[in-house]
Amino acid sequence: AQSVTQPDIHITVSEGASLELRCNYSYGATPYLFWYVQSPGQGLQLLLKYFSGDTLVQGIKGFEAEFKRSQSSFNLRKPSVHWSDAAEYFCAVGDTGTASKLTFGTGTRLQVML
Amino acid sequence: DAGVIQSPRHEVTEMGQEVTLRCKPISGHNSLFWYRQTMMRGLELLIYFNNNVPIDDSGMPEDRFSAKMPNASFSTLKIQPSEPRDSAVYFCASSRGTGELFFGSGTQLSVL
Repeated sequence: AQSVTQPDIHITVSEGASLELRCNYSYGATPYLFWYVQSPGQGLQLLLKYFSGDTLVQGIKGFEAEFKRSQSSFNLRKPSVHWSDAAEYFCAVGDTGTASKLTFGTGTRLQVML
Repeated sequence: DAGVIQSPRHEVTEMGQEVTLRCKPISGHNSLFWYRQTMMRGLELLIYFNNNVPIDDSGMPEDRFSAKMPNASFSTLKIQPSEPRDSAVYFCASSRGTGELFFGSGTQLSVL
C-alpha cells in the first residue's frame, strides 16, 4: 500500500530564510506526488504536482519540489519564505490507476518569525 | 466558479443524533471525495465517487457512516447515530481526474 512520511511535525523559520520540507513516500511504481497547503480554517490547495518528466517541478507561490527516486523523496523548497507562507503543508502520493485517490502525510506546520 | 461548497460550516449535535453533511462539487468534475481530518489521524479518505458511482468506501469507519451521490452536483455524508469520536473536520473535494483535488472549506463537526 502507498504511504507518505513527513518527518517534521513543526518547523519554524525566519522571514526571508530558505525552507525545505521533507517528504518520503512508499509506492511500488513511479508515483504521482503532490504538495498541498492548508491555511487555518480552510481546505487544502494544490501547490505543485509531479507525474513524470523533469524531476524538478515548479509550483505556485514560488515553491518548487524535487523528485528523487533513489531516495524515495519529494522535498518542498522555497528560497525565501514570506510571513504569509505560515500554514500546514501536506505531501501526498496518488495511485497511478486513479491519480486522484490520494494518500496524505501527517503534515508539517510551518511557523514564520518576523 | 464558486468552488466546492460544503454545508453546514459548523455542526454541533448530541450523541445519538443523525448528522448530514452536504457537498456541491465543481461543475464538470467527475470525481468526488470525502475526507475526515483529526489531530490524531490526520487526513483520512472515507469514500470516493467517480461519475456518481461509489468506487472505494474502504475508509468508511463503520456502518454508522453512509454516503450518497444522487447526481453530479450533490453528495451527502450521513452519520447515524453520531458519537463523540466522530468529532472532526469533514472535507469534500472534487477533481477532473488529473490528481488535482479542489477542497471545500470543510464542516467542523462536534458531537457532545
